[in-house]
Amino acid sequence: NAGVTQTPKFRVLKTGQSMTLLCAQDMNHEYMYWYRQDPGMGLRLIHYSVGEGTTAKGEVPDGYNVSRLKKQNFLLGLESAAPSQTSVYFCASSTLKALAKNIQYFGAGTRLSVL
Amino acid sequence: RKEVEQDPGPFNVPEGATVAFNCTYSNSASQSFFWYRQDCRKEPKLLMSVYSSGNEDGRFTAQLNRASQYISLLIRDSKLSDSATYLCVVTHQTGANNLFFGTGTRLTVIP
Repeated sequence: NAGVTQTPKFRVLKTGQSMTLLCAQDMNHEYMYWYRQDPGMGLRLIHYSVGEGTTAKGEVPDGYNVSRLKKQNFLLGLESAAPSQTSVYFCASSTLKALAKNIQYFGAGTRLSVL
Repeated sequence: RKEVEQDPGPFNVPEGATVAFNCTYSNSASQSFFWYRQDCRKEPKLLMSVYSSGNEDGRFTAQLNRASQYISLLIRDSKLSDSATYLCVVTHQTGANNLFFGTGTRLTVIP
């Protein structure tokens, strides 16, 4: 069972470079989320999507863009990476039924370092 | 002020001990409450929901005090496998049911 798959697992960028993190889920979930986790800060919501073609800002959206062109994929883009974006990024997905129990399914994370 | 605040620990306890974690939340409109577990360098996983009446799942007991905006998790008879970070999580029940995470409390159970 694949569940929620994030690629890549690790990446090192130089300041100013761009990259896209991919989140793919095979559970036909409507809702998808991108979080970042930093020491002393807990997980914070960057952007989320309630369905194909829709996205919305979370708590810390600045410096990131997202797209949900296909229901199964949620892409997180960094146009010009900054050292402050060094973090562990988690993707999650959920369904309306699971949301009634506030359950989200998480991917294994992407560790990003920006030098 | 942070949405959810937890004592970061670390808590180092011997096997078989009872340990309690606490957390407070700032938004009185918060509607649902959870404890997640996160192993080192892994993703968070739901441990248990927290209900107003308190609830138990095996060795784990969760309690909620809405008046004090306080949530607790009690682990009895600690096992080595309980070593992890425990995240306190709340939701405001918005359209996407966004989760708000505490920073986590690190637990190490020592043989």
